[in-house]
Amino acid sequence: AQRVTQPEKLLSVFKGAPVELKCNYSYSGSPELFWYVQYSRQRLQLLLRHISRESIKGFTADLNKGETSFHLKKPFAQEEDSAMYYCALNRGGATNKLIFGTGTLLAVQP
Amino acid sequence: KAGVTQTPRYLIKTRGQQVTLSCSPISGHRSVSWYQQTPGQGLQFLFEYFSETQRNKGNFPGRFSGRQFSNSRSEMNVSTLELGDSALYLCASSFESRSTPSPLHFGNGTRLTVT
Repeated sequence: AQRVTQPEKLLSVFKGAPVELKCNYSYSGSPELFWYVQYSRQRLQLLLRHISRESIKGFTADLNKGETSFHLKKPFAQEEDSAMYYCALNRGGATNKLIFGTGTLLAVQP
Repeated sequence: KAGVTQTPRYLIKTRGQQVTLSCSPISGHRSVSWYQQTPGQGLQFLFEYFSETQRNKGNFPGRFSGRQFSNSRSEMNVSTLELGDSALYLCASSFESRSTPSPLHFGNGTRLTVT
């Protein structure tokens, strides 16, 4: 069965500290992995996707198929990064069915 | 470009009633998906429509149904409401690529409360 696991419900760091939000998945095929973010009082929005291999707002995520992980990283956290982060998996092909993790609330303290 | 629009924003219904939620996708987007978000279960996929056809369905009872119109607007219906149906219902649209999943653009959701 397809599953996405985000082990931390809450991650609290100080401004300027490195951030790593963990995401592990289970899927036997070649999935598409995404990170979505929801800032306070805003709608859920795409942060980045693994096939783009780009850095958005200083965040990066590398797909590690051996460890079935897609951790989100940022070297120096900013207060405006405080938000709910969701890792999501798509099995690929012509479908928009996403399997979401339970989310991690990132709180960046001043 | 206007974002995904969901109406109404809030709904209060009683058990046994039925409800219809509406979603207008971003112009040009032909794929519409629906998700249920609750504190206990998180975000769960309900169904997905593309060109008026249901392409995928999640593990929800038959009381949950949906449809898509020729202008890509979508509605979902929940019949015989139960207390556990209280949730935020999110609609998402995407610019469809037949070979590669496209990023989803979410609406603000409809908050349904069943009493």
